[in-house]
Amino acid sequence: DTEVTQTPKHLVMGMTNKKSLKCEQHMGHRAMYWYKQKAKKPPELMFVYSYEKLSINESVPSRFSPECPNSSLLNLHLHALQPEDSALYLCASSREQGLPTNEKLFFGSGTQLSVL
Amino acid sequence: AQSVAQPEDQVNVAEGNPLTVKCTYSVSGNPYLFWYVQYPNRGLQFLLKYITGDNLVKGSYGFEAEFNKSQTSFHLKKPSALVSDSALYFCAVRDGNAGNMLTFGGGTRLMVKP
Repeated sequence: DTEVTQTPKHLVMGMTNKKSLKCEQHMGHRAMYWYKQKAKKPPELMFVYSYEKLSINESVPSRFSPECPNSSLLNLHLHALQPEDSALYLCASSREQGLPTNEKLFFGSGTQLSVL
Repeated sequence: AQSVAQPEDQVNVAEGNPLTVKCTYSVSGNPYLFWYVQYPNRGLQFLLKYITGDNLVKGSYGFEAEFNKSQTSFHLKKPSALVSDSALYFCAVRDGNAGNMLTFGGGTRLMVKP
């Protein structure tokens, strides 16, 4: 199994809603990532978990709250989002966060989020 | 900081013709370079990587990339384009000074017309 599975595929939420994005991989990867991608732009790194601990937070607003319940799962909890947060949210994983430097990322298909 | 640049927002090519998607890099040490492809409404898929060794790297779906140290380039190529190659292509560099995170270029949209 070389897949990263993300649910839901599409999400529409109001600015007062609370929702969660889910990501799952069964490749035994110990690094998991959240990226945000605006249309026709490159992915922007948000968070990195390494061995279920938050390793990198790229100064993301607190209305985004990541969680890594176990080595296979990664969640992104959303609360009080703004319309400008509408984007494709991508989850990715890799064997390790650090070395080796030739490590490749496996991406999920993403959740297309619209904030009204 | 390490970076990659993709000078073309879009590349148009006729089916059957060769294609090139350009990428230049700026790194302080050894470059670790990658190409990823993104089809509509999908995540990114790994195509190929350059670490060391041969300057011509072969990857998935018939793509290859040529590493040129003197020109600091890592252009993606394919001898004969297919309509199904139409997608968004990202060049990336692994930044050893930023927790080994990938830094992506701005992306190039490849349009292959029948």
